[in-house]
Amino acid sequence: AQSVAQPEDQVNVAEGNPLTVKCTYSVSGNPYLFWYVQYPNRGLQFLLKYITGDNLVKGSYGFEAEFNKSQTSFHLKKPSALVSDSALYFCAVRASNDYKLSFGAGTTVTVRA
Amino acid sequence: NAGVMQNPRHLVRRRGQEARLRCSPMKGHSHVYWYRQLPEEGLKFMVYLQKENIIDESGMPKERFSAEFPKEGPSILRIQQVVRGDSAAYFCASSPLPGVGTDTQYFGPGTRLTVL
Repeated sequence: AQSVAQPEDQVNVAEGNPLTVKCTYSVSGNPYLFWYVQYPNRGLQFLLKYITGDNLVKGSYGFEAEFNKSQTSFHLKKPSALVSDSALYFCAVRASNDYKLSFGAGTTVTVRA
Repeated sequence: NAGVMQNPRHLVRRRGQEARLRCSPMKGHSHVYWYRQLPEEGLKFMVYLQKENIIDESGMPKERFSAEFPKEGPSILRIQQVVRGDSAAYFCASSPLPGVGTDTQYFGPGTRLTVL
């Protein structure tokens, strides 16, 4: 079985400050890890993924994520948050030999001006 | 290049009616996945289809739910005799190659089903 935990329901930061959204996972075998963002009444937009290679993955809109195998984590980061980053963020995992994505419950990010 | 299209975006049904949700994958994608998002929860896998084939429906409720992806036209998720517990957002995703691989699943805007 595979699962994802996003321990924070909400993250609040001031514009210009660093943003971190936490994610830990459990999966059998090699993990493929993904971050998606959901704006109100919109679908999920793909941000970035980790498949293999460099543990630091860079994605869209200035976001990056760091894969840590020993801690089974894949935290999403942005050095300087924007008000427009306010949205619902989902971490997802699947095993390398599977196609079913397992999602966390989501973290609501609010960036205040 | 249009993304994954879903319609309708919002659907209201009374208990006992049928709901039909449509999904057109991205151009060049022949693999479709349906997920359901209940309030305050993450998305849960329902079914994986290729053209004219259901590959995995292990996440679908055994009764009242069915899915198809015909040779021509969109994928359809059909819910018969809807109940209030079916109220949720239903998302479709597509990928160009078989799901077991490094490909990303790209999601549509979802259909929000409300059962009165």
